Amino acid sequence: DAGVTQSPTHLIKTRGQQVTLRCSPKSGHDTVSWYQQALGQGPQFIFQYYEEEERQRGNFPDRFSGHQFPNYSSELNVNALWLGDSALYLCASSLGRGGYNEQFFGPGTRLTVL
Amino acid sequence: AQSVTQLGSHVSVSEGALVLLRCNYSSSVPPYLFWYVQYPNQGLQLLLKYTSAATLVKGINDFEAEFKKSETSFHLTKPSAHMSDAAEYFCAVTLHKAAGNKLTFGGGTRVLVKP
Repeated sequence: DAGVTQSPTHLIKTRGQQVTLRCSPKSGHDTVSWYQQALGQGPQFIFQYYEEEERQRGNFPDRFSGHQFPNYSSELNVNALWLGDSALYLCASSLGRGGYNEQFFGPGTRLTVL
Repeated sequence: AQSVTQLGSHVSVSEGALVLLRCNYSSSVPPYLFWYVQYPNQGLQLLLKYTSAATLVKGINDFEAEFKKSETSFHLTKPSAHMSDAAEYFCAVTLHKAAGNKLTFGGGTRVLVKP
């Protein structure tokens, strides 16, 4: 049973560019959440997708957007990249959105903005 | 709104010694609480979770944590540290009856295990 997978593993972009990160949830999971983890910090919640709609959003600007597909996979898009977007981006999936529903994390995508 | 504070960004323990990682939370409603571990260049792995059943929760690799409502704490312990426990540990909270299971994390505690 495959866990949460993310692609690419690493990515280098320059300021002003746009990036798309991808996530496939654990088999059977229907909810995908995205987190940003800056170096030396805890993960910060970006947003959550369920039934192909954004259901919750953290304190991130509109430059961060996402999408969930009918097969539950998800994309995170970041426009107009700036240096502060450099971080590890983590995708997590769960079955349902209840507070008790365990989230399983992928290995992350390391984004470097130069 | 909820928040999590982890006291001590770095903890150094000797192999075989007790591991104690501190976590305090702030929440306006009953919380669900989690401890995750992150090894270098990897994602987060769940160690244990509190979901309003027993206040003493046992997790993987001999870790356990106790929910103390009066102290708003959820400290993580392991009786005997192993070299493989060297990693970063995160405490996190979600709200009991909120729609959505957004996790709010603490800043993390990095554990160094000395031989």
